Amino acid sequence: KAGVTQTPRYLIKTRGQQVTLSCSPISGHRSVSWYQQTPGQGLQFLFEYFSETQRNKGNFPGRFSGRQFSNSRSEMNVSTLELGDSALYLCASSLGAPGNTIYFGEGSWLTVV
Amino acid sequence: AQRVTQPEKLLSVFKGAPVELKCNYSYSGSPELFWYVQYSRQRLQLLLRHISRESIKGFTADLNKGETSFHLKKPFAQEEDSAMYYCALLFSGGYNKLIFGAGTRLAVHP
Repeated sequence: KAGVTQTPRYLIKTRGQQVTLSCSPISGHRSVSWYQQTPGQGLQFLFEYFSETQRNKGNFPGRFSGRQFSNSRSEMNVSTLELGDSALYLCASSLGAPGNTIYFGEGSWLTVV
Repeated sequence: AQRVTQPEKLLSVFKGAPVELKCNYSYSGSPELFWYVQYSRQRLQLLLRHISRESIKGFTADLNKGETSFHLKKPFAQEEDSAMYYCALLFSGGYNKLIFGAGTRLAVHP
């Protein structure tokens, strides 16, 4: 069974630009969540989607947004990029019920210059 | 507030020595706790969860509600255990959200 797949794996953007990251969950998984990983703040929850609906959002500014498609694939978007947005963005998927195991992708490394 | 604390940034041991990675949590409900491991250049992967009470790669972790702890232990460390270890608390109020500790880097020396 294929794992959680994220694209692109690495990207460099300029301040002020916007970026879209993609995630394909494990087949059959309906919940997709996103996390930001930085050396200073560690792993922080961004948001979770289930059946195309955002169920919860972390404490991030409105520049961070996401969506989920009917095939459970998800995208997250960051607009007006700031230097501090440089991070590893991790996508995770699960079946969606509370307590189901959450599996992570390899992440997308974003560098903002 | 929900919080996970891993007090050690780095734990350095010699091969064959016992290992204990500390994790304390703060959560008002019934906690569900996990240990995730991240080997160099690999994805974050689940090591074990408290409800399964398994031993994975020789690691065990027991939930102690009185001390609000979920320490990870292994009696004899191996060099291949060197990695980042994250303790995580599942906040599942109708959705799945993991709250991670800051992580502990385990370095096992030959």
